[in-house]
Amino acid sequence: AQTVTQSQPEMSVQEAETVTLSCTYDTSESNYYLFWYKQPPSRQMILVIRQEAYKQQNATENRFSVNFQKAAKSFSLKISDSQLGDTAMYFCALDGTYKYIFGTGTRLKVLA
Amino acid sequence: DTEVTQTPKHLVMGMTNKKSLKCEQHMGHRAMYWYKQKAKKPPELMFVYSYEKLSINESVPSRFSPECPNSSLLNLHLHALQPEDSALYLCASSHISGRGGSDTEAFFGQGTRLTVV
Repeated sequence: AQTVTQSQPEMSVQEAETVTLSCTYDTSESNYYLFWYKQPPSRQMILVIRQEAYKQQNATENRFSVNFQKAAKSFSLKISDSQLGDTAMYFCALDGTYKYIFGTGTRLKVLA
Repeated sequence: DTEVTQTPKHLVMGMTNKKSLKCEQHMGHRAMYWYKQKAKKPPELMFVYSYEKLSINESVPSRFSPECPNSSLLNLHLHALQPEDSALYLCASSHISGRGGSDTEAFFGQGTRLTVV
């Protein structure tokens, strides 16, 4: 079975600080994709970053980067220079066969 | 165009009503999805269409009836819903890879906030 686990239901960070959100997963596939999605109160799910499993280099998108540990099946998201607009629910997701599997989410609040 | 458009944004319906949710994308994606999301919970998969054919039904009650008229449109027909069906309904689309799964990200619409009274 393919699973995604996020063990931090809520986190907070001061504006301009750095925060790391954790995610672990399980899959028997040898090649797969992992994603972090952001869902602000406006409710639209927005892709933050994507990682292809066969690429050893960690993905980065501006202030967002991942620490992908394939052997440990770990995929954490680091947000640098946190901004008030980063306040949202963050979901880690795995592309399963014909569907996307989501973790339970981490609610991140950026404090002014 | 990297948008998935869902209509309506809000819907209030009685338990005896029939209504439909609509989803449209013009990104050439051949996989389309319906998800149901309760407050503070992750999206739960309901249906997947691949090449306009239903490929996954996650044991969804028959009061929800999906339809994919063409590669750009996805509908969800609602009939005799229960109050517990009140939720955010999200549509998404993605490419289909050669291995039969999806190998790029899913694009999501803004969702329809459904309230059943």
